[in-house]
Amino acid sequence: DQQVKQNSPSLSVQEGRISILNCDYTNSMFDYFLWYKKYPAEGPTFLISISSIKDKNEDGRFTVFLNKSAKHLSLHIVPSQPGDSAVYFCAAKASDAGGTSYGKLTFGQGTILTVHP
Amino acid sequence: KAGVTQTPRYLIKTRGQQVTLSCSPISGHRSVSWYQQTPGQGLQFLFEYFSETQRNKGNFPGRFSGRQFSNSRSEMNVSTLELGDSALYLCASRLRFNMNTEAFFGQGTRLTVV
Repeated sequence: DQQVKQNSPSLSVQEGRISILNCDYTNSMFDYFLWYKKYPAEGPTFLISISSIKDKNEDGRFTVFLNKSAKHLSLHIVPSQPGDSAVYFCAAKASDAGGTSYGKLTFGQGTILTVHP
Repeated sequence: KAGVTQTPRYLIKTRGQQVTLSCSPISGHRSVSWYQQTPGQGLQFLFEYFSETQRNKGNFPGRFSGRQFSNSRSEMNVSTLELGDSALYLCASRLRFNMNTEAFFGQGTRLTVV
C-alpha cells in the first residue's frame, strides 16, 4: 500500500523554464510534507517543507503547494538549472496522539528531473 | 558544521553473517532515524532513536536492530544477512524529537550481501 505516490518517473525540462514535480498521498493523517533532492551515491538533501496548515511555502527558486482536499502537493522550480538534474523525493509525516512519529517519513518512489542546457 | 557521517561507505558481506553500521548525527542533533533504500521498495523507514531509546519502528523483521549512545551516535545491526538485505542504508538526524523539523541525511552505507 503506497501512501505517497509520485506518478511521473521522469521529467525533462529546458534550462530557464519551470519544473513542476507532483506528489499524491492517501493518508489523511499526514500533516507535514518535505521535498528532497538526491544525486547518485549521495544521501537525500532537504529542499523545502510545508505544514498541513499552509497551502504554499517558498524558498528562493523552490515553491511547494499543498492541496489538502485533493491530497496533492507539487514542487515548482523556477528557473530550472542544469544543476537541478537529480532524483526528487516527496516525503510525508503522519500525526499521532503519542507524538512519536515526528521522525518517521514515508517517501514516494521519486521523479528523475533532467534539465537540458 | 559537519553533516551526518556514516561509516563505512561500502560493505560486502556473506549470507548468514551479521553487520553493524554506524552513524554520527550533526552536532547538537539528538534524534537519529534509519532508512533502507532498494530499487524495488524505495526509501523505507527502519527506526528512530532519541535519548538512547527507540521511539518508533518500521515494518522490518527483528533481524534489524539499533541502538543509540549517550553522545547521540547510533548503530544499526542486521543479523543473519539475506541477499535481499542488499541496499543503501541511510541515517538521518533531526534537531528536535517532538517537532516537525527537517531530517538531514548522511551519504549512506552501501551494503552488498553475496
